Amino acid sequence: QSVLTQPPSVSGAPGQRVTISCTGSTSNIGAGYDVHWYQQLPGTAPKLLIYGNTIRPSGVPARFSGSKSGTSASLAITGLQAEDEADYYCQSYDSGLSGSTVFGGGTKLTVL
Amino acid sequence: QLQLQESGPGLVKPSETLSLTCVVSGGSISSSDHYWGWIRQPPGKGLEWIGSIFYTGSTYYNPSLKSRATISIDSSKNQFSLKMSSVTAADTAVYYCASLETASYADKSGYGKNWGQGTMVTVSS
Repeated sequence: QSVLTQPPSVSGAPGQRVTISCTGSTSNIGAGYDVHWYQQLPGTAPKLLIYGNTIRPSGVPARFSGSKSGTSASLAITGLQAEDEADYYCQSYDSGLSGSTVFGGGTKLTVL
Repeated sequence: QLQLQESGPGLVKPSETLSLTCVVSGGSISSSDHYWGWIRQPPGKGLEWIGSIFYTGSTYYNPSLKSRATISIDSSKNQFSLKMSSVTAADTAVYYCASLETASYADKSGYGKNWGQGTMVTVSS
């Protein structure tokens, strides 16, 4: 069971907006640690999508955006496209026990 | 743009030691701009952080794997390595290496900016 909780799946039609939540606690997101997001297409390595809660690396479309509030973070995708169908993971730091980098369990996005 | 490539045996016997290497190209592994990490993904499951290493040799490990994982760096070959001892079937996974950067003072985990393609390691007799 992941320290960061993501919905197992979300779906949306082309052109729609979807959001993926990443719920943590006061020992990780709520403690102020940065959240990062990755996209993993089938059979490929994860690709950095958002870092530092809201920053898009060069080359990532503006359709992808990140936000953070309290003990949760969210990834929003607007103007959904078929090529966005992938697994999405959030990542942060958890200060519990000995402290460690932690990932969410992942969310499968299906474009209907 | 940094490029990373994992290599190592695809099959390891239970109780033995898994050894993987990640060769870095397009930049120096001794640069203070980056540090280096290993992440794994069991078949059909999510990502798991294994650990990271700075060019100074300082290491940080997932507490659940700390007793079995060792990450080292070889600046002369521009590569870093992972050794994991006493493996079991639960260690069967795709293993990724990645270059890491820090987003801000509030970023204690770092983010994976560049990733290798991953290498599948199966633990089986």
